[in-house]
Formats: sequence, C-alpha cells, structure tokens
Amino acid sequence: DADVTQTPRNRITKTGKRIMLECSQTKGHDRMYWYRQDPGLGLRLIYYSFDVKDINKGEISDGYSVSRQAQAKFSLSLESAIPNQTALYFCATSDPNRGPNTGELFFGEGSRLTVL
Amino acid sequence: AQKITQTQPGMFVQEKEAVTLDCTYDTSDPSYGLFWYKQPSSGEMIFLIYQGSYDQQNATEGRYSLNFQKARKSANLVISASQLGDSAMYFCAMREGVSGGYNKLIFGAGTRLAVHP
Repeated sequence: DADVTQTPRNRITKTGKRIMLECSQTKGHDRMYWYRQDPGLGLRLIYYSFDVKDINKGEISDGYSVSRQAQAKFSLSLESAIPNQTALYFCATSDPNRGPNTGELFFGEGSRLTVL
Repeated sequence: AQKITQTQPGMFVQEKEAVTLDCTYDTSDPSYGLFWYKQPSSGEMIFLIYQGSYDQQNATEGRYSLNFQKARKSANLVISASQLGDSAMYFCAMREGVSGGYNKLIFGAGTRLAVHP
C-alpha cells in the first residue's frame, strides 16, 4: 500500500459543485502539502500544514480550503468548482528530520480532477 | 520573478547516451536545497537527487548526477547511459532556507525527456 494515499484518483464534476480531495499518510510526518499541476506550469503550492493546528496558504489558495483532521489526514476542498480548477492535484508530506538539510517531499499518486 | 527556470520544454536522447537537463534558480537565501523529481506517464512523482547549498561535492545517485554551479545558480541534472524507461517529465525544485521549517518546494515548469531506441 502507498504511504501517501489520495482519494479519489479521478473525478469528473460540474461547475458549481463542491468537491473534496482526501489525503492520508502512514509515514508519521507532521508536514503536509497540497499542490496542483498544470501543463507548462509545473507544480504550484495551494496549502500547507505544519501540524493539526497549523494551516497556511500557498501560492494559489484562492478558491480552495483545507482541513487537517488529524496528523495523518489533510483534505482539500473546492467549495464551488470552476473549469480552470481542472488539474492534477498532489498531496505530499515531509519530515525535516530526514537527513541533514533535505526536506524531500513524499507524494501521493495524484488526483485528476476535471471540472466541466 | 521565476524562482526555478527550466528552459527546455522537451528533449530527446538516443538510448545509452548521456543527457543534461537544465535548471537555473534564483534565491537570496544562503541556505537552500535543490531537488530533481521524475514523473513518468503514470503520473507519480519520484524523487531522484538532492543537492544542499553548502554541499562541497556534486550529488550523485546511480546514473543521476547533479552539476551544481553555485555562482551561476544552476543545478543541471545529468543522466548517463539513458534507458527507455527514463522517458518522463523531469522537474527541478528548490527549498529556500534550512530544512526544519515548512520545507516548501518551488517547482520549475518541467522538461519532457524522450529516449529513442
């Protein structure tokens, strides 16, 4: 089983619908992140969390919200989906104690969202 | 301003040859880290190699090496002896500041590599 699990893996929805992407991890990491990937733009940070009491906006947080329900769970919500939120979404975790000066991100398998 | 620039949208290489994927970065923080990730067509993100700003030697991991030129702010990925399975999208990323913080990574736009038999 994957250490970082995202559900759903694929979702097609309509404009205006609310949708939630869920992420759970078994790595025991405190830090969790949501990124979106668009062709030609790479990955851009939406939200990140240090622990369950800490939520921070990233580069492109407008139109999104998150919930850190537990250390292992970090959900991304689109309250009213729009077509330009069609993208591949990644959840990731990190552990600052992993080696000296690393900060490698461990990614889930991605959730492909299409908004019609 | 772009923090991470990958100027090659697409590259191709013959199998068994070496290829260099370019990455330049921009930061005023003396402490930072540079990463390369591979994304095959299946979509997952695979960590390849890491270089810290204070590391004296270029990082190597098997067939991957990172050509780190600090003064030029470049961190090019070199893949030796290319294999068909190396065909993928490759992302360069940077962490500003020391590890122990949020470890936010800033990604470049990516380079799509095609390995030809």
